[in-house]
Amino acid sequence: EVQLVQSGAEVKKPGESLKISCKGSGYSFTNYWIGWVRQMPGKGLDWMGIIYPGDSDTRYSPSFQGQVTISADKSISTAYLQWSSLKASDTAIYYCARHPDGGTPSPFDFWGQGTLVTVSS
Amino acid sequence: EIVLTQSPGTLSLSPGERATLSCRASQSVSSSYLAWYQQKPGQAPRLLIYGASSRATGIPDRFSGSGSGTDFTLTISRLEPEDFAVYFCQHYGPSPPKTFGPGTKVDIK
Repeated sequence: EVQLVQSGAEVKKPGESLKISCKGSGYSFTNYWIGWVRQMPGKGLDWMGIIYPGDSDTRYSPSFQGQVTISADKSISTAYLQWSSLKASDTAIYYCARHPDGGTPSPFDFWGQGTLVTVSS
Repeated sequence: EIVLTQSPGTLSLSPGERATLSCRASQSVSSSYLAWYQQKPGQAPRLLIYGASSRATGIPDRFSGSGSGTDFTLTISRLEPEDFAVYFCQHYGPSPPKTFGPGTKVDIK
């Protein structure tokens, strides 16, 4: 059974750092891209970036480049999203999702359960 | 960057009715790279349609997608109670960002 299990909810203060995780199982982790998607409270979906765990090739949306870092550790089938200095506007649910690396672009076919990040003083 | 707009913002219908949701791209896109997702409250999105018209695994045939160029449509032929949700389109072309539309909420009339 394919699973993407994300780390639990976080409450942080502005200026703090944070790293959340997404662990894949039930499939070949290194053969799928893992993406991160933000959903601010009551809002739509924002595509943040993707990483290919096989070689750590990473692509960012211009809106998120320099604001977050996406990484992966293929030895433990886990992808990460991290911030060095959180802002209140980073309050959102963050989803990880996978899509296959089949040579042609693919949609996200399986999603994690989401991680709620709350940034408040 | 391709911008997607969806209409209407909210669609109020009764079970059994037909739902027609629109997704418009700011420039012509390959229909190969247009997807639709469903999101219910408190849940992650779920892939419904990819390649503009292909249903994802396990998706009932009351869901269908169509369109090309800049205009795409998701049709739910007869709404079931579990279909009341928010629907997002996405262009997942070769270059990032792979943008989503703002969503259409289908609620019970």
